[in-house]
Amino acid sequence: GQQLNQSPQSMFIQEGEDVSMNCTSSSIFNTWLWYKQDPGEGPVLLIALYKAGELTSNGRLTAQFGITRKDSFLNISASIPSDVGIYFCAGQIGGGSQGNLIFGKGTKLSVKP
Amino acid sequence: DAGITQSPRYKITETGRQVTLMCHQTWSHSYMFWYRQDLGHGLRLIYYSAAADITDKGEVSDGYVVSRSKTENFPLTLESATRSQTSVYFCASSRDNYGYTFGSGTRLTVV
Repeated sequence: GQQLNQSPQSMFIQEGEDVSMNCTSSSIFNTWLWYKQDPGEGPVLLIALYKAGELTSNGRLTAQFGITRKDSFLNISASIPSDVGIYFCAGQIGGGSQGNLIFGKGTKLSVKP
Repeated sequence: DAGITQSPRYKITETGRQVTLMCHQTWSHSYMFWYRQDLGHGLRLIYYSAAADITDKGEVSDGYVVSRSKTENFPLTLESATRSQTSVYFCASSRDNYGYTFGSGTRLTVV
C-alpha cells in the first residue's frame, strides 16, 4: 500500500532555531497536508497544499509541495516552546471518492527552553 | 457547541467486553473517519463513512464494527475487546474528503 516516510522521527532544538522536516513517498499525491498534535489532543490542520511547486506560509510555518508530487517539507522559523508536539504529514490522491488521507508516522518536536 | 466531540475521553474495560466509542459532529459533514494512534505506527485508519448508511473498512478494521444511521454520529464498537486494542482513538470528519478535522480522542485501556 501507499506509505509516507516522514523524517526525522524526533528532534530536540534550542528555542529560536529553525526547524525542517520532510515527507517522501513512492506514490504521487495531489494534496499534501501538515498537521500538528499537541499532547492529549487531536491533530490540527496547519497548512494545506494543492498544487505541485506550491509554497505556502502560515505565520512562522512554511510548507512546500514538491515538484515531483512525491514529497513535501515543513519549516518552522524561530521556534518557541509552544511549537512542542508531533507534526504529521498527510498525502491524498484526491478528495471525494478518490481516496482518503494517508499519514506519515510523525515528527516529535521537543524544544529546550 | 459546534464541532466534533468524542466520548468518553477515557475508558478502561476488561478483555472480552464490548465497548462503544461515540463520535458526534455538528457540521453535517458527509465524511467521517475512525483512526487509532499507537507509538511507532502513527495514525491508522480503522473505518470510514462517505455518508449515512455507507461505511468502508480501513487498514486495521478487524475486531471493530461501525454504523452510521445519522449523518452526525459515527459510533465505533469493539465487539470483544483485546489488549492489542489498547490505544488512543480519534474520530475525524470532512465535508468533501479534504482536510479532516479531528476530535480530541478517546484513550482506551483494555485490561
